[in-house]
Amino acid sequence: DIQMTQSPSSVSASVGDRVTITCRASQGISSWLAWYQQKPGKVPKLLIYGASSLQSGVPSRFSGSASGTDFTLTISSLQPEDFATYYCQQSSSYPLTFGGGTKVE
Amino acid sequence: EVKLVESGGGLVQPGGSLRLSCAASGFTFSSFWMSWVRQAPGKGLEWVANIKPDGSEKYYVDSVKGRFTISRDNAKNSLYLQMNSLRAEDTAVYFCERIDTPSRSFDYWGQGTLVTVSS
Repeated sequence: DIQMTQSPSSVSASVGDRVTITCRASQGISSWLAWYQQKPGKVPKLLIYGASSLQSGVPSRFSGSASGTDFTLTISSLQPEDFATYYCQQSSSYPLTFGGGTKVE
Repeated sequence: EVKLVESGGGLVQPGGSLRLSCAASGFTFSSFWMSWVRQAPGKGLEWVANIKPDGSEKYYVDSVKGRFTISRDNAKNSLYLQMNSLRAEDTAVYFCERIDTPSRSFDYWGQGTLVTVSS
């Protein structure tokens, strides 16, 4: 199984801050990596697919990048509505796996 | 507008069974892979199962193999999850998702249905 190790598990940030979240795959997954945002009591929302492609309707302050088995989600300028938990997920092979989540607070 | 509406959750005793349904609308259901993902209370997301558009291929996480069965009825635009031999650790909100074919990501999610396994 491919393990997805997300870090940090939580980050304390302020409005306007640049926030970076990292996800490391235990083996190569090419670009089969997505990022999701989940607010408390809400349904997860797709932000980034293919490691770096922005889902339609998602603000451009969100971006994704990849370097080997390391993937990064960056929020360039944190907005009040961005306080949430973020998950990475690989779809390279079964079983599909999620990272443990990063809470931005 | 794409809509996914789950139903069928509830309280069930350990060892019991439950069948979840997901009603899809707003897209050509028969053309898309579909999936179930669950989230235990206060925990992260866990993929449960996937099914091919024609139902010919199904994949499961190891912890539910032999107990859960994913299926679909394309004529009714519906996705199902039959859950047998339920355990306390199956307690979670169960979401159904559409899988975007090119990216293999979960692009639409239902609102979820809560399954509680307890005596």
